[in-house]
Amino acid sequence: EAQVTQNPRYLITVTGKKLTVTCSQNMNHEYMSWYRQDPGLGLRQIYYSMNVEVTDKGDVPEGYKVSRKEKRNFPLILESPSPNQTSLYFCASSLRQPAFQYFGPGTRLTVT
Amino acid sequence: AQKVTQAQTEISVVEKEDVTLDCVYETRDTTYYLFWYKQPPSGELVFLIRRNSFDEQNEISGRYSWNFQKSTSSFNFTITASQVVDSAVYFCALSGGVYGGATNKLIFGTGTLLAVQP
Repeated sequence: EAQVTQNPRYLITVTGKKLTVTCSQNMNHEYMSWYRQDPGLGLRQIYYSMNVEVTDKGDVPEGYKVSRKEKRNFPLILESPSPNQTSLYFCASSLRQPAFQYFGPGTRLTVT
Repeated sequence: AQKVTQAQTEISVVEKEDVTLDCVYETRDTTYYLFWYKQPPSGELVFLIRRNSFDEQNEISGRYSWNFQKSTSSFNFTITASQVVDSAVYFCALSGGVYGGATNKLIFGTGTLLAVQP
């Protein structure tokens, strides 16, 4: 079954404690992306990757890092989380351009 | 600039009523894609429809229909005979534009919360 998986699905953490949200796709897609969803703001792109070792900033990259060492994985790293990073995070992948994206199930992160 | 506006923040209807969710977009591109997603209370994003800018035909899928009008830059979504299970947040999104950097992302509206009362 074609899918994008994210882990964990729910996470409560404290300010400053480094965390990683994993994202994996089984469709051999080149393009992957991270979005965050906040009330009243819709979803906004954090980072994207067009292929292995090729990543670039989206609209709200501050406080986040990503890596793309393998085609299937695109982890989102919060080196020092802060309460303003409390949000619902979605990973997405597509074969090429984002117009054909598959979304993961979302990760709800709370930073206290 | 690329932008998607969903002016209706919340809509409340009674079951079996028809409801239209509005979506207005801005883009300088001639080639782009428009989308609707549903987000039920469980939180996942459910893809509903994708429409490219060259296809202005309206589409109907069961109780759902979409009206794409390039002349008014609108891509409205109508649910006929609404049901309680339609209660969700609905997002309109735009992708594919070269101008404004939308080539590599979806630009989402702020969403419309639809509450269908029994």
